[in-house]
Amino acid sequence: DGGITQSPKYLFRKEGQNVTLSCEQNLNHDAMYWYRQDPGQGLRLIYYSQIVNDFQKGDIAEGYSVSREKKESFPLTVTSAQKNPTAFYLCASSIGRGMYEQYFGPGTRLTVT
Amino acid sequence: SQQGEEDPQALSIQEGENATMNCSYKTSINNLQWYRQNSGRGLVHLILIRSNEREKHSGRLRVTLDTSKKSSSLLITASRAADTASYFCATDAGGSEKLVFGKGTKLTVNP
Repeated sequence: DGGITQSPKYLFRKEGQNVTLSCEQNLNHDAMYWYRQDPGQGLRLIYYSQIVNDFQKGDIAEGYSVSREKKESFPLTVTSAQKNPTAFYLCASSIGRGMYEQYFGPGTRLTVT
Repeated sequence: SQQGEEDPQALSIQEGENATMNCSYKTSINNLQWYRQNSGRGLVHLILIRSNEREKHSGRLRVTLDTSKKSSSLLITASRAADTASYFCATDAGGSEKLVFGKGTKLTVNP
């Protein structure tokens, strides 16, 4: 099956801890994206990557970090510097930039207490 | 900044009725996309319409685009309870590398 996977589905952490969210795709897509969704809100772009070993900040990158060492993998680290990390995190991929449809993973719901 | 804004924020209809959602945006675009999100799940791509297209159909979905008014509409005909979801428009904001999503319309179809 081709698709994009995120793990885990639910994640709980204590305040002050860093946490890494996994995102893997086997669609052979070049572009990958991380979004944050808060209740009743749309998606806000955290980071995106158009190619391996390169990534750009989105609209709300502060307190987050990413890596793109492999084409199929784009992990997101939520650091202790992120002031309000509790949210639903969505990973997506596409063939190329902007104009192409994006394929989304099932999401990870992170709760920090 | 928010590029697309959906209207209404919430819509409740009976099964069999048509549902219309609107999206307005601010800057020129190359294309506009509509996505569906079931509660607690990832988004699913529904349809993409390019800036030189005025209307596009896919099954029970009909999308229109009016670039002079910077607006788009999504029509779901003969709605079903399974259509209950949030619907988002997304634009590439004039050839940007990224999509910008609106806040969505929450559609409830009552059986």
